[in-house]
Amino acid sequence: DTEVTQTPKHLVMGMTNKKSLKCEQHMGHRAMYWYKQKAKKPPELMFVYSYEKLSINESVPSRFSPECPNSSLLNLHLHALQPEDSALYLCASSRQGNYGYTFGSGTRLTVV
Amino acid sequence: AQSVTQLGSHVSVSEGALVLLRCNYSSSVPPYLFWYVQYPNQGLQLLLKYTSAATLVKGINGFEAEFKKSETSFHLTKPSAHMSDAAEYFCAVSNFGNEKLTFGTGTRLTIIP
Repeated sequence: DTEVTQTPKHLVMGMTNKKSLKCEQHMGHRAMYWYKQKAKKPPELMFVYSYEKLSINESVPSRFSPECPNSSLLNLHLHALQPEDSALYLCASSRQGNYGYTFGSGTRLTVV
Repeated sequence: AQSVTQLGSHVSVSEGALVLLRCNYSSSVPPYLFWYVQYPNQGLQLLLKYTSAATLVKGINGFEAEFKKSETSFHLTKPSAHMSDAAEYFCAVSNFGNEKLTFGTGTRLTIIP
């Protein structure tokens, strides 16, 4: 299994809703990442988990809350988002060392 | 801090012509360099990576890139463009011990029939 699986693929939520994005990998990778990508822009790093511990938080607003329940799963909990948070949210994983990331296909989030 | 610059936000080539996408890096230590491709409404797929072994790196789909330290460049090439190559291409850099990837601004490749 060489994939990173993200669910759901599309999500529309209101500004008062609470929702979660899910990411799963079974490649034994010990680092997992959340990126945000706006249209026609490169991905921007949000969070890094290394060995299930949060190692990098790129000053992301608290309305985004990451969680790593185990080495295969990564969640992103969303609450009270703003319309400007609408974007493609990408999950990625990697093994130790600079071998590159494996990305999921993303969740297209629309905040209304 | 490490960074990459991609010259040309949009490149158009004819089908069968040479593809050349430019990437220059800025790093105080030997970098690790990557090229990713993104098709519409999809995630990013790793095309190839330079990790201080051979300077000429071959990747998937017929792409290759050459690391030139003297020019601080890592340009992506393909001898003959195919319609299926139309996509967004990102160059990215990280340093040893820091697996955080920093992406360039991307180059949109259009293939003219």
